[in-house]
Amino acid sequence: AQRVTQPEKLLSVFKGAPVELKCNYSYSGSPELFWYVQYSRQRLQLLLRHISRESIKGFTADLNKGETSFHLKKPFAQEEDSAMYYCALRSGTYKYIFGTGTRLKVLA
Amino acid sequence: DTEVTQTPKHLVMGMTNKKSLKCEQHMGHRAMYWYKQKAKKPPELMFVYSYEKLSINESVPSRFSPECPNSSLLNLHLHALQPEDSALYLCASSYRDRDFPLHFGNGTRLTVT
Repeated sequence: AQRVTQPEKLLSVFKGAPVELKCNYSYSGSPELFWYVQYSRQRLQLLLRHISRESIKGFTADLNKGETSFHLKKPFAQEEDSAMYYCALRSGTYKYIFGTGTRLKVLA
Repeated sequence: DTEVTQTPKHLVMGMTNKKSLKCEQHMGHRAMYWYKQKAKKPPELMFVYSYEKLSINESVPSRFSPECPNSSLLNLHLHALQPEDSALYLCASSYRDRDFPLHFGNGTRLTVT
């Protein structure tokens, strides 16, 4: 079965602390994975995708096919990182499977 | 223009009303999507149009009727909705090719009374 799992509903960290948002997937083919972010009162927007191997706003995510994971990491959290984060798997030309999301709260 | 624009932002309708949600993009994207998002839940796919043709209908009840008049516009016609249809309705667009991500609108918050 195709599935995306984000085990944490809420993750609270202090400003300056490292952040890791977990994402595990189940997919039989070659996965295409994305992280989307939704800041308060803003639209859902792409943060990064595994295929581009880029760092956006200090966040990185590495696809680990052995562990079927695509965890999102940032070495030093900022208050403006507080948001809802969704991991998504592209399972077909038009189909995305979204995880249930993790709310990140960065405390001052 | 790099945005997906949705109107209205908020909509309250009775169960006997007919209303429409509108979505517009001018990024040249040829795939357009309707998603439904309930509070604290991930978006759920409803419909996909590719090159103005309906490509995916995720078994959505017929009280929701999508329409794609041209490559820039996407409508969702609503009729005889139920209170449980209250949700945030998101429009998104993308290039048709692989590796191009979704661009979302701000959504229409629908309340059915």
